[in-house]
Order: sequence, then structure tokens, then C-alpha cells
Amino acid sequence: DTGVSQDPRHKITKRGQNVTFRCDPISEHNRLYWYRQTLGQGPEFLTYFQNEAQLEKSRLLSDRFSAERPKGSFSTLEIQRTEQGDSAMYLCASSFDRGVVTGELFFGEGSRLTVL
Amino acid sequence: AQKITQTQPGMFVQEKEAVTLDCTYDTSDPSYGLFWYKQPSSGEMIFLIYQGSYDQQNATEGRYSLNFQKARKSANLVISASQLGDSAMYFCAMREGSTGNQFYFGTGTSLTVIP
Repeated sequence: DTGVSQDPRHKITKRGQNVTFRCDPISEHNRLYWYRQTLGQGPEFLTYFQNEAQLEKSRLLSDRFSAERPKGSFSTLEIQRTEQGDSAMYLCASSFDRGVVTGELFFGEGSRLTVL
Repeated sequence: AQKITQTQPGMFVQEKEAVTLDCTYDTSDPSYGLFWYKQPSSGEMIFLIYQGSYDQQNATEGRYSLNFQKARKSANLVISASQLGDSAMYFCAMREGSTGNQFYFGTGTSLTVIP
């Protein structure tokens, strides 16, 4: 399977704990995105990487959130001191940037976080 | 202002009939791309169709077509010959040329195909 993969698919944690999600993009894609989706809503942009550089972060991304993409390959999204409001589906997507507005996002199946 | 507006929270369609899912967008950028995604209950977002702002013709991909009305800033998705497997959430999204990093998504439309 050469699609975008995310791990874990489901995570249940207690408030205050730290969680980390991993995303493996399609290998030739240079852009990697993280989105958050809550029930009944569309995906909300969190951050994106071009190769290993994190080029943009949403204001939604508080200081408790950190994302990395070492060596421009896989990415991790860590949430520290989780809160119940962090409960959501965290979607990773990748694309090959051709410098124009084409280039659709390819999504993984998401990591569902439940904070108790 | 919302970049993408989808005003139909839920839609029903009879199997084998056509259905139109509405999407309007807001941008002042002359260069932009419009996308439709399908999200089944499994959760994965599946790309369906793309329309560029400079494209002269409406995009088509199999049973999917995009009714692009630039002056009205609308990009409605038309699904012909609906199938039971089309039951899913459908999201309209936009990417602007000047800020091409983000994809802006609407709130989605839940489509149910009735046998």
C-alpha cells in the first residue's frame, strides 16, 4: 500500500496525558499537512510542511501542540497535557507541490483521539 | 467570512437518480482551485474532482461533474446515476493561488442514497 498511513488509528487517553500521532506520507510527496476534524465539521487546517520545514501554523495550534517532520519523511504530531476539547479526528494529508493550485491532497484514514 | 459554504447538511436521493450538492466560495484571488472530497463512514477523505479558476470547461470524472459558475462563485457537484456506495459525507474545498498552502473546507453535506 503506497497511500498515506497514520498511526494509531484510535487513541483514548486521560486528560493531562501526552499523545503522539505519526503520519507516513506518499513517498514522492513534498508537502505534508495536518488537519483536525470534529463531529459534523469539515477539516480544519493545523499546520503544513514543505519537505522538513514547517512553513505555516494555524492559530488553532496552541503551544501544547507540536509537529515535526525530520528529514522530510514521516511526521509526528504531539499534544501535551491533553484536554477534553482536543478530542477529534486528526487527519494527515500529503501532496506534490507543483507550484500552482492544482495538486490534490491525499489523506490518511485519520487518528481518532478521545480524551476522558 | 467563510471561504467555503455548503448549505445542505443532508440530502437524500433515489438510487440511479442524479443529485446536486451545492458549494459556494469566497475569494478575491483570481487564481484558485476547487476540490470535492468524499468521506465514507470509515473516515478516509477521497478526492473526487478538481476545477481550476481558469478552466474554461466544467470538470468531469466518471459519474462526477462540477457545475462551475464563476460569476456566482459556485462549484456544485453533480453525481449522476447514484449508487448505494455514494452514501457519505461530501466536502467542498478551495485552495487559493496567493495562499496556496491551505485547503479551506466546507462543513460538508451528508448524502444518503435510498434503494
